[in-house]
Amino acid sequence: DAGITQSPRHKVTETGTPVTLRCHQTENHRYMYWYRQDPGHGLRLIHYSYGVKDTDKGEVSDGYSVSRSKTEDFLLTLESATSSQTSVYFCAIKEDSNNSPLHFGNGTRLTVT
Amino acid sequence: GDSVTQMEGPVTLSEEAFLTINCTYTATGYPSLFWYVQYPGEGLQLLLKATKADDKGSNKGFEATYRKETTSFHLEKGSVQVSDSAVYFCALRGLDYKLSFGAGTTVTVRA
Repeated sequence: DAGITQSPRHKVTETGTPVTLRCHQTENHRYMYWYRQDPGHGLRLIHYSYGVKDTDKGEVSDGYSVSRSKTEDFLLTLESATSSQTSVYFCAIKEDSNNSPLHFGNGTRLTVT
Repeated sequence: GDSVTQMEGPVTLSEEAFLTINCTYTATGYPSLFWYVQYPGEGLQLLLKATKADDKGSNKGFEATYRKETTSFHLEKGSVQVSDSAVYFCALRGLDYKLSFGAGTTVTVRA
């Protein structure tokens, strides 16, 4: 295990409510990522971070925001959840080396009703 | 932009059968290529990787060769086991260092 903890593991929420997912790492890696996994789409990048307070958008960032105030924590927020955001969300971390692989957490299953 | 296309599943095999999962890519320059595996209820784990043309990645009996001429990175295993049942993802890292994933292929191995 690469020292990544996602919380919560499961969440059911109603449309229109705010939701925050947390990713915590103990590896002190600079790079952190949020992906969503949906059938037929593989994993799609939502946002990523390349350092404290340094974040950027991925390919499916609409409706999501992130924050990274500490190296070890990367938060993903859905300001007003919609049913289309029902998905499994994965956090990943990466060492600085260009060819180092991503290490993934075990995911958060989010259901928006 | 960069993209990965992999064989659609699901794939169902008997134990000891030969497994091939096709993966082709589109990218600028010379990307690094990866295969990840996801077991039920878990996150993705790196299975193998190749960083330049003609490199062969291998792990746990799985192999894949980076073929620049055919822009492919097909995954193979000569004799699968029930424990190989999982979802397999092909991925590439391009010039922007972001990973692009294929849609995933579900493999079920029956005893």
